[in-house]
Amino acid sequence: DAKTTQPNSMESNEEEPVHLPCNHSTISGTDYIHWYRQLPSQGPEYVIHGLTSNVNNRMASLAIAEDRKSSTLILHRATLRDAAVYYCILRDGETSNYQLIWGAGTKLIIKP
Amino acid sequence: EAQVTQNPRYLITVTGKKLTVTCSQNMNHEYMSWYRQDPGLGLRQIYYSMNVEVTDKGDVPEGYKVSRKEKRNFPLILESPSPNQTSLYFCASSFTGNPSYEQYFGPGTRLTVT
Repeated sequence: DAKTTQPNSMESNEEEPVHLPCNHSTISGTDYIHWYRQLPSQGPEYVIHGLTSNVNNRMASLAIAEDRKSSTLILHRATLRDAAVYYCILRDGETSNYQLIWGAGTKLIIKP
Repeated sequence: EAQVTQNPRYLITVTGKKLTVTCSQNMNHEYMSWYRQDPGLGLRQIYYSMNVEVTDKGDVPEGYKVSRKEKRNFPLILESPSPNQTSLYFCASSFTGNPSYEQYFGPGTRLTVT
């Protein structure tokens, strides 16, 4: 699985949009981009995933660059409950290895 | 409610005393997996199962066993726990192993081996 690069931490104000970047310059054509988050003392939680096109769901939006070498997770209106570590993960769509390869993630701090 | 459950949530044990951490999902998922999370090392996969009676090693399988006799259950067995297995353990499940599907995680089991 290709590697991802994320900032160690980011801060945002409550009720403002948050853009969490992820670089994946070695992504292959069959790699899916997944985002998970882990709130303090909880198990990881799925946020969103995509392959080539931008994606929206009730939690967030995923913007994927045209060359797919980077992506951005967008929280449209952050709340204190969104404070968590956010992981950007690539999953290979062709190999038989189905695991999620976790990096260090971005710790998102929300200021009231 | 769709969920992955793990038991126990917390466990303190001694070296060499066999233990089992149970994992159960109620979503009829084919794929299940165990991870351990350690500070500075992130989450690493221990074992995974594509379906009933089909299991395979992840990145860190040493010292662990699993079984998948029923679709909903995927217990993690430590035959002879050692202190280096002190960790936070997560079970996860997915509709299939296909990378286009998301994984659902349990709440975690914090294990301490003294």
